Amino acid sequence: GNSVTQMEGPVTLSEEAFLTINCTYTATGYPSLFWYVQYPGEGLQLLLKATKADDKGSNKGFEATYRKETTSFHLEKGSVQVSDSAVYFCALTLDENNRLAFGKGNQVVVIP
Amino acid sequence: NAGVTQTPKFRILKIGQSMTLQCTQDMNHNYMYWYRQDPGMGLKLIYYSVGAGITDKGEVPNGYNVSRSTTEDFPLRLELAAPSQTSVYFCASSYGGSGTYEQYFGPGTRLTVT
Repeated sequence: GNSVTQMEGPVTLSEEAFLTINCTYTATGYPSLFWYVQYPGEGLQLLLKATKADDKGSNKGFEATYRKETTSFHLEKGSVQVSDSAVYFCALTLDENNRLAFGKGNQVVVIP
Repeated sequence: NAGVTQTPKFRILKIGQSMTLQCTQDMNHNYMYWYRQDPGMGLKLIYYSVGAGITDKGEVPNGYNVSRSTTEDFPLRLELAAPSQTSVYFCASSYGGSGTYEQYFGPGTRLTVT
């Protein structure tokens, strides 16, 4: 069935560093792909999305491109800030009811 | 708009007790979802609803029940609580289906069963 896999482990980096979080997916058909972010003590909120191959989602300096050939949707940001410290989840839609399959999430810690 | 609200924020239950987690949205969304989040495991779908009067099981429905009598409310019932139900529970809603609409999440309920 459809699923997503995120790279293992937390990510710790210094302010202004480049951030990449890998996400690969397995799917039949062409699901929409999402990145959600969870700040400490809060629920998840949508960071960006892409609904078809080669689409690029972007928001708050973050970007991700829907790559059908490599079945990937990697999240990138060129210069992180302390305020970007959060848990980031990759997700894809399972069906027309908008059910989502989530990756395990990556904790990102940005050090001043 | 308050968005998606959940009550309570925290709760401690004894094994075998029951409780209802409340979820309300004021965005007139047809689709609503309940997830549980366990450390390092992402989110797992418990139940979902595509409209008032319609509910369906997700990935991990055992030990839970839901109802959807109105568009706004989607309560989650735990019967005979077990330690395995210790988790953070999130309710979410979405405007429509088609697989492209984002989900809006509530702030969560942290439940401990001892």
